Amino acid sequence: DVKVTQSSRYLVKRTGEKVFLECVQDMDHENMFWYRQDPGLGLRLIYFSYDVKMKEKGDIPEGYSVSREKKERFSLILESASTNQTSMYLCAIGQQGFAGGYTFGSGTRLTVV
Amino acid sequence: AQSVTQPDIHITVSEGASLELRCNYSYGATPYLFWYVQSPGQGLQLLLKYFSGDTLVQGIKGFEAEFKRSQSSFNLRKPSVHWSDAAEYFCAVGGGSNYKLTFGKGTLLTVNP
Repeated sequence: DVKVTQSSRYLVKRTGEKVFLECVQDMDHENMFWYRQDPGLGLRLIYFSYDVKMKEKGDIPEGYSVSREKKERFSLILESASTNQTSMYLCAIGQQGFAGGYTFGSGTRLTVV
Repeated sequence: AQSVTQPDIHITVSEGASLELRCNYSYGATPYLFWYVQSPGQGLQLLLKYFSGDTLVQGIKGFEAEFKRSQSSFNLRKPSVHWSDAAEYFCAVGGGSNYKLTFGKGTLLTVNP
């Protein structure tokens, strides 16, 4: 089974800092996704990528950017962190299109103070 | 645009009782439908998925779901709930070439002894 690793489980950053969240997969899947999860709002898609250097905006991209220089790594960047970006961030990969569903990482709980 | 509605924010059942979690979706073509479960402090785990064919699909942990095109629904069921089923459940819909999933806001299940 594919493994999806998010570099930090908990992160505390200050307002205005530039924040990098890393996601790494141990296989060769093209489709990678970043979601944020907030109580009562479910999962909302921030950005996704379907190949190296390819990216598309999701439903809530404002305040975020992404980078995918290598197939196995998909980074989410908060250019200037704000308190309303305090959330749980989940990385997912899509296997075999939809046939395999998504596999999620364990998440990074980011607190911006 | 695709969307998912989970009408029940919170459901409480007694252990051993039957369970049905509701999911309604909006999608312009034949959808790919998923149910995920998130136990407290854990990541999201795929319970089951529907692409085509038999409208009643079986998943892990004794769960099943039925696709009803006429009602745009994909409800999750379990005949007898166990205390370990207490978790948050998410329905998701997708389709098309970008393999993007849209999630509902989730239903929190509490199981009373």
